[in-house]
Amino acid sequence: DAKTTQPNSMESNEEEPVHLPCNHSTISGTDYIHWYRQLPSQGPEYVIHGLTSNVNNRMASLAIAEDRKSSTLILHRATLRDAAVYYCILRDPLNYGGSQGNLIFGKGTKLSVKP
Amino acid sequence: NAGVMQNPRHLVRRRGQEARLRCSPMKGHSHVYWYRQLPEEGLKFMVYLQKENIIDESGMPKERFSAEFPKEGPSILRIQQVVRGDSAAYFCASSPGGYQNTEAFFGQGTRLTVV
Repeated sequence: DAKTTQPNSMESNEEEPVHLPCNHSTISGTDYIHWYRQLPSQGPEYVIHGLTSNVNNRMASLAIAEDRKSSTLILHRATLRDAAVYYCILRDPLNYGGSQGNLIFGKGTKLSVKP
Repeated sequence: NAGVMQNPRHLVRRRGQEARLRCSPMKGHSHVYWYRQLPEEGLKFMVYLQKENIIDESGMPKERFSAEFPKEGPSILRIQQVVRGDSAAYFCASSPGGYQNTEAFFGQGTRLTVV
């Protein structure tokens, strides 16, 4: 499986932007970059995903490097509710004969948000 | 549209008993994934199922653990003769068929305690 590397932890101040980096130097051409987060005592929650172009949704933005070997999840204004472990995952939808590829979680980045 | 439903939310079993964890995927979803999370650790993939088929069980322990996703009804993760080391949070996720939609939705988990 293609692997990702993330910092163990990051801190942010409330109301400020947060940039969460992810390295995936062995990414293949068909791997999508997914981000999930897990709030304390909750199940993981989908945040965003992309292939080559930058993506925006109501939760966050995803900036993907031109060579696709790294990406950055951007929370535009961190709130206390954004304190969670953020996981960057590569997923190949072409695995398993056309079915969806699996989600393999690494250790993620634990984001702390200070008021 | 109800989310992924897992029950029970909390389960206490004595050593040697059986634990049955249920997961009802979101309506229209035919892919189910089970994960285990030990305290203070990340999510570990266990098994990936489609209706009536096990696609990938590479994360399942070889003994005592089994999973099914029948044509009708919820997916079941079954742990026979539980031991203290089985105490963990078990999360289920579902996603729709086809690789155009690659977002997975997670349930709130079942927290198993073996006493």
